[in-house]
Amino acid sequence: QKEVEQNSGPLSVPEGAIASLNCTYSDRVSQSFFWYRQYSGKSPELIMSIYSNGDKEDGRFTAQLNKASQYVSLLIRDSQPSDSATYLCAVNRLTGFQKLVFGTGTRLLVSP
Amino acid sequence: NAGVTQTPKFQVLKTGQSMTLQCAQDMNHNSMYWYRQDPGMGLRLIYYSASEGTTDKGEVPNGYNVSRLNKREFSLRLESAAPSQTSVYFCASSSTVETQYFGPGTRLLVL
Repeated sequence: QKEVEQNSGPLSVPEGAIASLNCTYSDRVSQSFFWYRQYSGKSPELIMSIYSNGDKEDGRFTAQLNKASQYVSLLIRDSQPSDSATYLCAVNRLTGFQKLVFGTGTRLLVSP
Repeated sequence: NAGVTQTPKFQVLKTGQSMTLQCAQDMNHNSMYWYRQDPGMGLRLIYYSASEGTTDKGEVPNGYNVSRLNKREFSLRLESAAPSQTSVYFCASSSTVETQYFGPGTRLLVL
């Protein structure tokens, strides 16, 4: 079992729809969780971080964490073609130091 | 404020050649990292440096060495390149508790 698992996609949604991206992790002691966006040929950039159970909203993005189910998700409301990218889930098992384990990413395609 | 910079952007090597990938950050971060990214494999940690003067192996360290030259710079060396090291290499940095910021990447092809 991979430490961080994501569906590779592609996930196709029409413009204006809600895109839902999911991630599961295997290590129950994981402390913090991140979503990175990576455009083709570019480097990953952080879009959301979440540390406690529940929802965290930032603009059109909402991260959801359920530690009991070892599940983290990213919702993108009012999806735009510019949101088309690969979304990487990352998990940190440590406190006080960043040592991330990444999933393989989900490719999102938003059609006009 | 350039963030994280990497050189070179592209490189083609022959099997057995050596090279050093350079990385520098201007954010005064303590920690620096080297990853490789391959199709279907995601980002995998090669080596990291928690603070100046320390380095540790990550998930895939074989065939690589690193040097934390000072707080700003962290280099990755391939002593004898192999085709299996064809990849995109990313350097990243972070402060103790904040997330990682990535450089633009180096695309390496080993023939």
